[in-house]
Amino acid sequence: QSVLTQPPSVSGAPGQRVTFSCSGSSSNIGAGYDVHWYQHLPGTAPKLLIYANTNRPSGVPDRFSGSKSGTSASLAITGLQAEDEGDYYCQSYDSTLSGSVFGGGTKLTVL
Amino acid sequence: QLQLQESGPGLVKPSETLSLTCTVSGGSVTSSIYYWGWIRQSPGKGLEWIGSISYNGNAYYNPSLKSRVSISGDTSKKQFSLKLSSVTAADTAIYYCAREKYYDYNAYTHFFFDHWGQGSLVTVSS
Repeated sequence: QSVLTQPPSVSGAPGQRVTFSCSGSSSNIGAGYDVHWYQHLPGTAPKLLIYANTNRPSGVPDRFSGSKSGTSASLAITGLQAEDEGDYYCQSYDSTLSGSVFGGGTKLTVL
Repeated sequence: QLQLQESGPGLVKPSETLSLTCTVSGGSVTSSIYYWGWIRQSPGKGLEWIGSISYNGNAYYNPSLKSRVSISGDTSKKQFSLKLSSVTAADTAIYYCAREKYYDYNAYTHFFFDHWGQGSLVTVSS
């Protein structure tokens, strides 16, 4: 049971827009801690996709965007591509656990 | 380009201690704005933060693993290491090392992992 809750799967056709949700609580996202997103493609290391809720590291396409509101956060991908297929994780800090916490991950399938 | 590489035994016997080392290249390990962390992914499960260490040796751990975990660093070798004692099959996982950046904003300190190693599969089995 992960501290942050993510749906197990989402799917979309090439070119479409998909969103990933990440739900937390008053000790993490709701307390004001920022949310970060990672892309984990098969056989590769996880890659930072979004940091501090909305910021993209250098090299990440602007097809990827993030937002945060209340105790939840979202990641959106527009112009879905086959190479986007993989797992997506949200991460934040939890004051009760005094450490970083991850969501359980959402598997993206490109139809 | 910063790179991290995990190394260590791929097979550990139950009740023994898992030991992994992460070697950093292409960047400094002594910057005060970074920690160096370990994260794992058990088969079929999500990511789990294990613990992190600062450049000056301050370590903090996931409470669920704290009694069994120790993270240490050697800045001269640009390495940091993980030890997990009394392992069971539940500790079978891919273990990743990562650079953890922190920043202060809105009265809070925030953390995220901006560079990751490729991961090292550790199987606990007799």
